[in-house]
Amino acid sequence: AQSVTQLGSHVSVSEGALVLLRCNYSSSVPPYLFWYVQYPNQGLQLLLKYTTGATLVKGINGFEAEFKKSETSFHLTKPSAHMSDAAEYFCAVSDEGSQGNLIFGKGTKLSVKP
Amino acid sequence: GAGVSQSPRYKVAKRGQDVALRCDPISGHVSLFWYQQALGQGPEFLTYFQNEAQLDKSGLPSDRFFAERPEGSVSTLKIQRTQQEDSAVYLCASSFQLSSPLHFGNGTRLTVT
Repeated sequence: AQSVTQLGSHVSVSEGALVLLRCNYSSSVPPYLFWYVQYPNQGLQLLLKYTTGATLVKGINGFEAEFKKSETSFHLTKPSAHMSDAAEYFCAVSDEGSQGNLIFGKGTKLSVKP
Repeated sequence: GAGVSQSPRYKVAKRGQDVALRCDPISGHVSLFWYQQALGQGPEFLTYFQNEAQLDKSGLPSDRFFAERPEGSVSTLKIQRTQQEDSAVYLCASSFQLSSPLHFGNGTRLTVT
């Protein structure tokens, strides 16, 4: 069965600092991998996804993630945090060919200090 | 509208009451998903429709939960005899097809007292 582990339920960084949110997955088949962001009282918004091809994926708002098969990881990074990045971030995995039936991690809440 | 619309945004129900949550997907989207998000947790899959056909309901936690999409557009998630453990945000998402990205609504926050 597929599963997702997000290390750190809460990450705090200073404005302008590097953001690193960790995600490890387990899957018996080639997975599709996703990062979603959720602002308070809102639904989830897709930040980026890996399906096939280039393992370094760039998304919206300056975020990127790298698929590392040998480490079963898909960590999310952003070189310089902005106050507006404060939100909850979810990593998710699905079976190849589907972007709908997602298995989500428990989420990491990102705080950005001025 | 441009996005997935869910109503009501908030629902308070007394234990034992029945509730109905509505989802209006993006026009033309074939696939529709329901997820349950408990406080402090990630969303968990409940059920999936392709047009009007419910192809996967493996995530529904009990037979008190029922979902329908009779005309292949609007969907309703019904919970009978609500229990406190049903308190959560219920998220609806749609996509053009199964291999397309999901678009999420803002959810319905259900509180069972």
